Amino acid sequence: NAGVTQTPKFQVLKTGQSMTLQCAQDMNHNSMYWYRQDPGMGLRLIYYSASEGTTDKGEVPNGYNVSRLNKREFSLRLESAAPSQTSVYFCASSEEGTMTYEQYFGPGTRLTVT
Amino acid sequence: AQSVAQPEDQVNVAEGNPLTVKCTYSVSGNPYLFWYVQYPNRGLQFLLKYITGDNLVKGSYGFEAEFNKSQTSFHLKKPSALVSDSALYFCAVRGSYSNSGNTPLVFGKGTRLSVIA
Repeated sequence: NAGVTQTPKFQVLKTGQSMTLQCAQDMNHNSMYWYRQDPGMGLRLIYYSASEGTTDKGEVPNGYNVSRLNKREFSLRLESAAPSQTSVYFCASSEEGTMTYEQYFGPGTRLTVT
Repeated sequence: AQSVAQPEDQVNVAEGNPLTVKCTYSVSGNPYLFWYVQYPNRGLQFLLKYITGDNLVKGSYGFEAEFNKSQTSFHLKKPSALVSDSALYFCAVRGSYSNSGNTPLVFGKGTRLSVIA
């Protein structure tokens, strides 16, 4: 049981390049999330998916797109990276509707855009 | 809109002393409240939650938190701090419903706890 896995762990991009961050969970959770963490800002929600086939914008969606590929996988795409997107990105998942609600987090992807 | 405030960026405590990390919240309706811990270069780990029931909830690693509805607070506590408790702590509250019915967590900015030997 690996929980939530993310790839890659580290990435350096040049301004304007694109990339996709991958996330997978093996807990059979319905909901998945993407956050970014910046110093002094806490965690800010980028996008989330309540269930397979649905996605919703979070607090800071501009410059990002997401795909809920299936129940296990939720990817985050940067189409044209900007230095402001330098951050640590976390994927999380949760089970809704069973009075649990807590989110389980992956180890993160540290992204630098130069 | 839902929000969480962690008024202290940094908390320093001597090993063996009790510790408190403060959190206040603002939410419509009944709050669902959570505490997470983050060790360096790691993801967030769930510590404990309040959904309903007893106002004092116990969690992992000897931590507990007290829900106070009148003060809209959910402070994290531990009777005797360990050096290994040094980490970044996040309080979170369940947010409002979206069109899809999901309620993502809203996180505070975090409090760095430093336990000194």
